[in-house]
Amino acid sequence: DVKVTQSSRYLVKRTGEKVFLECVQDMDHENMFWYRQDPGLGLRLIYFSYDVKMKEKGDIPEGYSVSREKKERFSLILESASTNQTSMYLCASSLTEHEKLFFGSGTQLSVL
Amino acid sequence: GENVEQHPSTLSVQEGDSAVIKCTYSDSASNYFPWYKQELGKRPQLIIDIRSNVGEKKDQRIAVTLNKTAKHFSLHITETQPEDSAVYFCAATPGPNYGGSQGNLIFGKGTKLSVKP
Repeated sequence: DVKVTQSSRYLVKRTGEKVFLECVQDMDHENMFWYRQDPGLGLRLIYFSYDVKMKEKGDIPEGYSVSREKKERFSLILESASTNQTSMYLCASSLTEHEKLFFGSGTQLSVL
Repeated sequence: GENVEQHPSTLSVQEGDSAVIKCTYSDSASNYFPWYKQELGKRPQLIIDIRSNVGEKKDQRIAVTLNKTAKHFSLHITETQPEDSAVYFCAATPGPNYGGSQGNLIFGKGTKLSVKP
């Protein structure tokens, strides 16, 4: 089965810190995604990538950037963390467009 | 752009009863409609999906129906069990006029289903 691994389950950071969230998938999937999950708001797409070094903005990209240097790895970067970025972050991958998403177990980020 | 509305936000049923969750979408060009289940503290997982060339799809106790004319689709769970308790998310693909990425899925806000034994 596909394995999507996020590097941290819980993170606590201070306002202004640079934060890296790492995600690795082991099934050679083309597409990788970063979602943010907040209670009552569902899953909102931050960025996604359909190929190495390619990226596209999702619905809420402000305050975030991403990096995909290798096919299996997709990183989410918070250049200067703010308290309103406290949230659950979910990475996902899919073989192609409009196919089943495989999610990681999530990173609960708290920015103090 | 595409907008997905999901109702109800919470649903409580007795074990053995049926549960129905409904979603509407705005973009008539949407063509893929998955449903994800997220148990407490776990990752979302796909439970069933339907494409626009099909009106209904079943998988054991779960079924999804799609009405393209009315632009709504529904998840039906029959003979509910306590392990069906979870948050369920519907989603839809955006059409070509969507201002954002075509690769995106637009998710509903979720329905928290509680099945009481």
